Amino acid sequence: QKEVEQDPGPLSVPEGAIVSLNCTYSNSAFQYFMWYRQYSRKGPELLMYTYSSGNKEDGRFTAQVDKSSKYISLFIRDSQPSDSATYLCAKGAFNAGNNRKLIWGLGTSLAVNP
Amino acid sequence: NAGVTQTPKFQVLKTGQSMTLQCAQDMNHNSMYWYRQDPGMGLRLIYYSASEGTTDKGEVPNGYNVSRLNKREFSLRLESAAPSQTSVYFCASLRDTSANIQYFGAGTRLSVL
Repeated sequence: QKEVEQDPGPLSVPEGAIVSLNCTYSNSAFQYFMWYRQYSRKGPELLMYTYSSGNKEDGRFTAQVDKSSKYISLFIRDSQPSDSATYLCAKGAFNAGNNRKLIWGLGTSLAVNP
Repeated sequence: NAGVTQTPKFQVLKTGQSMTLQCAQDMNHNSMYWYRQDPGMGLRLIYYSASEGTTDKGEVPNGYNVSRLNKREFSLRLESAAPSQTSVYFCASLRDTSANIQYFGAGTRLSVL
């Protein structure tokens, strides 16, 4: 089992829909969680990050962490065609040398259709 | 305000050829990373450098070498390219706060024929 699991989709929704993207994780150490967005032929860019459990909101985007179920979610309200991208979840961690790293989900491909 | 800059953007190699991918960051970050991204495999860590003068292997280091030239620059070298190294390569640097926030370059698309 991978430490961070993410359904790769693809996910296709009509414009204006509420989108829910999800990941699960298995190791509870180091409770920083991130969502990155990656447009086609571009590098990943940080969308949001949260610490431990609870919600964090930024405009149309809400990141949620449920520690009890080890679930990470990203909600997109009023989705737009410009939201079409791959969304990657990541969890902070340390490697054997106590250096920081990220553990990545595979990414979910989202298409928002006008 | 360049962030992380990677060169080249595209490259085609023949099997057995060598090349170096360049990466530079202007954010004064200590840690830098090289990833490869393949369909269905996600981002996989090749090598990282926690600070100037140190490098360590990631998940998939075979066939690669790295050099942390100074605090800004971290290069990835393919000594004898193989078709299995056809991929998109990303360099990233880590913001030095408690959260592990990484910033990425635009990537290098490499094809090995």
